[in-house]
Amino acid sequence: QSVLTQPPSASGTPGLWVTIPCSGSSANIGKNPVNWYQQLPRTAPKLLIYKNNQRPSGVPDRFSGSKSGTSASLAISGLYSEDEGDYYCAAWDDSLNAYVFGTGTQVTVL
Amino acid sequence: EVQVVESGGGLVQPGGSLRLSCTVSGLSFTDAWMSWVRQGPGRGLEWVGRIKSKRSGGTTDYAAPVRGRFSISRDDSKSTIYLQMNSLRIEDTAVYYCAHIAWAPVAMNSWGQGGLVTVSS
Repeated sequence: QSVLTQPPSASGTPGLWVTIPCSGSSANIGKNPVNWYQQLPRTAPKLLIYKNNQRPSGVPDRFSGSKSGTSASLAISGLYSEDEGDYYCAAWDDSLNAYVFGTGTQVTVL
Repeated sequence: EVQVVESGGGLVQPGGSLRLSCTVSGLSFTDAWMSWVRQGPGRGLEWVGRIKSKRSGGTTDYAAPVRGRFSISRDDSKSTIYLQMNSLRIEDTAVYYCAHIAWAPVAMNSWGQGGLVTVSS
């Protein structure tokens, strides 16, 4: 059971947007940068956001991250059917001395 | 382009051992921090551990469920890291991914294809 909590599912209409929240604590999100990963069906994970709101080269600006206190969120705008998959937040946890992933959110494009 | 390739997965009995390898190309491996992540059947991502570059001390960190049973090492001459897994349990059954940490502490930007480890009698 993860220390980072996400809703199990989220959905949106093509062309519109969806937001995925990630709730943590002062030991993880409250002190350390948050990363977001996308895992499309039957593929390896892909880094979408690092250091709360930075995008690696090649990641479209439709994906954006933010952090406030002990919570973070990922926003996906201009939804495409290809965005369907699982999304995970992650951060270092100072109490566990370990990196922790969120519980994961399955995104469906209606 | 960074390429990450795992090898060494397979079937092992409970209590047994297995070693995974991960070879990296396309970057200066001696400066690379590397990590292992696993995903059990139908489950989410679970971080296993990481190894820093020798210049950063070469130290390792592990998730609680594998601490004391798994160990990560590196051979910079072969651009390879290893995951030695001992005292394997059924719950260690998973796809194991190797990944390059592009931004500290653990932002993983290049991933391998994953290798399946099945622990079963």
